[in-house]
Amino acid sequence: AQSVTQLDSQVPVFEEAPVELRCNYSSSVSVYLFWYVQYPNQGLQLLLKYLSGSTLVESINGFEAEFNKSQTSFHLRKPSVHISDTAEYFCAARPSSGGGADGLTFGKGTHLIIQP
Amino acid sequence: NAGVTQTPKFRVLKTGQSMTLLCAQDMNHEYMYWYRQDPGMGLRLIHYSVGEGTTAKGEVPDGYNVSRLKKQNFLLGLESAAPSQTSVYFCASNRAVRNGYTFGSGTRLTVV
Repeated sequence: AQSVTQLDSQVPVFEEAPVELRCNYSSSVSVYLFWYVQYPNQGLQLLLKYLSGSTLVESINGFEAEFNKSQTSFHLRKPSVHISDTAEYFCAARPSSGGGADGLTFGKGTHLIIQP
Repeated sequence: NAGVTQTPKFRVLKTGQSMTLLCAQDMNHEYMYWYRQDPGMGLRLIHYSVGEGTTAKGEVPDGYNVSRLKKQNFLLGLESAAPSQTSVYFCASNRAVRNGYTFGSGTRLTVV
């Protein structure tokens, strides 16, 4: 079984400042890793994912995340945030092997608050 | 582009009442999931399905039942609602485990 820990429940930052949302996972096997974003009163949307290959993955709206196997981390970063980035962000993981579809394990979420 | 549609969007139940939440997807996805989201708890898997006619328990299945009689639909039932089942329920689907999920917009359920 794996677990996902998001160390910060809430991260306030000023507009145009950089931000890092931290995610650590625990698993005895290789994993796929995902970041989802949830805007108020909406469902979750996939932001980016790591499956294999390059450890740095990027999204279309300026976010990036780096897979670090030795530190079992998958932190999400953005060099300059905007008011529209205010949302809840969820890190998730699942084993990369096995044919079962027993669902993603989600972290508890980090609320990103952008201050003008 | 309908994607994943959940009905209803809101519902208030009295303790002991029953109800069914419907999830429908038009993407021909094999895998479907029901999660509940509670403040400070993230999303927790209730039940999931790997194909038509199959279902399996997730992390928090007690008090819920599911059915997948048609590939495109995944129903979540509460036989006797309890206040602890007050939550936001999300349905999701995907084609393969490497893919991310497509989520519905959620059902906000209050049990009084």
